[in-house]
Amino acid sequence: SAVISQKPSRDICQRGTSLTIQCQVDSQVTMMFWYRQQPGQSLTLIATANQGSEATYESGFVIDKFPISRPNLTFSTLTVSNMSPEDSSIYLCSVEVLTFRETQYFGPGTRLLVL
Amino acid sequence: ILNVEQSPQSLHVQEGDSTNFTCSFPSSNFYALHWYRWETAKSPEALFVMTLNGDEKKKGRISATLNTKEGYSYLYIKGSQPEDSATYLCAFEAASSSASKIIFGSGTRLSIRP
Repeated sequence: SAVISQKPSRDICQRGTSLTIQCQVDSQVTMMFWYRQQPGQSLTLIATANQGSEATYESGFVIDKFPISRPNLTFSTLTVSNMSPEDSSIYLCSVEVLTFRETQYFGPGTRLLVL
Repeated sequence: ILNVEQSPQSLHVQEGDSTNFTCSFPSSNFYALHWYRWETAKSPEALFVMTLNGDEKKKGRISATLNTKEGYSYLYIKGSQPEDSATYLCAFEAASSSASKIIFGSGTRLSIRP
């Protein structure tokens, strides 16, 4: 298993500003992901954070809006840039631990409200 | 477009009663079905991973069944307790090498009334 922490746990931000969310894992992992859950919606994958190279973004998400860093195998950041109220969501990082079947372990999430 | 549906969206159950809810997923290109429990302010916690048609998994009072041919899974909770209050997420994993192969449903929010 993996223990994951996220900072901040919640924040209230003004539109037009940016927020960087940190994700720390207690062990080295290859695969790290960033998800968001907008109110009433499903958990949606934003991107895969790759160590040593640019993140891989899913359809509908772009690097300018959600820049991601992955400086090592235990840490990643997601920045939500130029925020608008539509960015109000829970943002979660997760890691994949290869056991018998790939299981994802999630951080506790960052609850973001944009006014 | 892959779609994973969970029903009901929310559920209120009296303590001690049993309950169940549904996850529907595409019946093609199936690899695995995951169930998670997500309590408020905590991390989603993996409950089950199921891979074979007819699979049944059990963890204490919680169990799950899988029908890959018709594309549904049921989660059952026997004798609900207040600590069972959480959002239950299912996730369909397609047979693909891409990380975006896992599609989540929007969850069933379960509240247990003491």
